[in-house]
Amino acid sequence: AQSVAQPEDQVNVAEGNPLTVKCTYSVSGNPYLFWYVQYPNRGLQFLLKYITGDNLVKGSYGFEAEFNKSQTSFHLKKPSALVSDSALYFCAVRDGLGDMRFGAGTRLTVKP
Amino acid sequence: DAGITQSPRHKVTETGTPVTLRCHQTENHRYMYWYRQDPGHGLRLIHYSYGVKDTDKGEVSDGYSVSRSKTEDFLLTLESATSSQTSVYFCAISDLGAGDTQYFGPGTRLTVL
Repeated sequence: AQSVAQPEDQVNVAEGNPLTVKCTYSVSGNPYLFWYVQYPNRGLQFLLKYITGDNLVKGSYGFEAEFNKSQTSFHLKKPSALVSDSALYFCAVRDGLGDMRFGAGTRLTVKP
Repeated sequence: DAGITQSPRHKVTETGTPVTLRCHQTENHRYMYWYRQDPGHGLRLIHYSYGVKDTDKGEVSDGYSVSRSKTEDFLLTLESATSSQTSVYFCAISDLGAGDTQYFGPGTRLTVL
């Protein structure tokens, strides 16, 4: 069965600095990988996904993620963090045969 | 929230009572999902539907049942609520298959006393 790990519960960065939120996955087949963001008392909002093709995926709000098959990783990145990026971020994986599996989430705090 | 509404948005109930949560979509998407969100667990799939009257179990389906009599509505029922079912419940929809993006509703916060 597929699984996702987000090794950091919390990530703190200063505004204007680059940010990285880490995600590693395990699937038996080809992965479909997703990043979502959740603001307080809201549902999850889709940021970006990797299905196939270019390993660097660009998404909403200036976020991007790099698919690395050899390291089974799909880290979320942004070149310059904003205070408004502070939220809970979820990585998710699916292999086409099973359920979507979510990581436990990483809380990103961007300090002014 | 992508044309998805959930009702109620908040509910407090007592152990042993039945509870039904409703998800309504206006996107005419084929697939609908129910998840629960708990700290430290992310989101876990309870049940999903791939068409009217077509449903299947997810990772944490024990104690839950679902029904889908119309494309736009997907109901989640807790037959006899327990305190372990205190959670935030999210509905999601998607249109195609495994690679399709799931879009989420605003959630229902359920407290079972």
